[in-house]
Amino acid sequence: DGGITQSPKYLFRKEGQNVTLSCEQNLNHDAMYWYRQDPGQGLRLIYYSHIVNDFQKGDIAEGYSVSREKKESFPLTVTSAQKNPTAFYLCASTTGGAPNTEAFFGQGTRLTVV
Amino acid sequence: GDSVTQMEGPVTLSEEAFLTINCTYTATGYPSLFWYVQYPGEGLQLLLKATKADDKGSNKGFEATYRKETTSFHLEKGSVQVSDSAVYFCALSDRTGANNLFFGTGTRLTVIP
Repeated sequence: DGGITQSPKYLFRKEGQNVTLSCEQNLNHDAMYWYRQDPGQGLRLIYYSHIVNDFQKGDIAEGYSVSREKKESFPLTVTSAQKNPTAFYLCASTTGGAPNTEAFFGQGTRLTVV
Repeated sequence: GDSVTQMEGPVTLSEEAFLTINCTYTATGYPSLFWYVQYPGEGLQLLLKATKADDKGSNKGFEATYRKETTSFHLEKGSVQVSDSAVYFCALSDRTGANNLFFGTGTRLTVIP
């Protein structure tokens, strides 16, 4: 079945560590997105990519980095520069060029700083 | 730029009550409009969509009509169930601009028996 997979589901990070969240899709989608969701809050865009080897900062990119070396994969690294990383992280993908098609979401990764 | 403004919650209803969640949008082009639903601890799932003016999207008893004249896409359901308790997001997708996916802030719905 086609879909988008995030791993791990739960992640614990010590202060000062970098951690990488995985996002893989087999939908042949061009565009991929990373969002952060805090308790009771909406989605805030961290980074997005519309094509391999290209990505753009979203509204809250500071303290995060991404890569897009393959069409299927869009990993997010939460660096030690991110001062408040505890949140629920969601990855999404779309076809990119067709606005009438919906976004597909992964199940999310809950990151906690310990 | 493009944006979505969504009714703030939380919304608490009794089972079988009528639901309306308001959503208005601003867009420079001709967007497609969506409602997504998020159950606790999960990602978002598409609930319904409409791709042009006057289209009505519907699914699982929920409906929303794309109103270009009022730039709105309000979500309605005639009789809610406890299982409808979730967070609902209004969204638009537009061909113009570098980032063509915009979400509202979400509305938490709780349905009590």
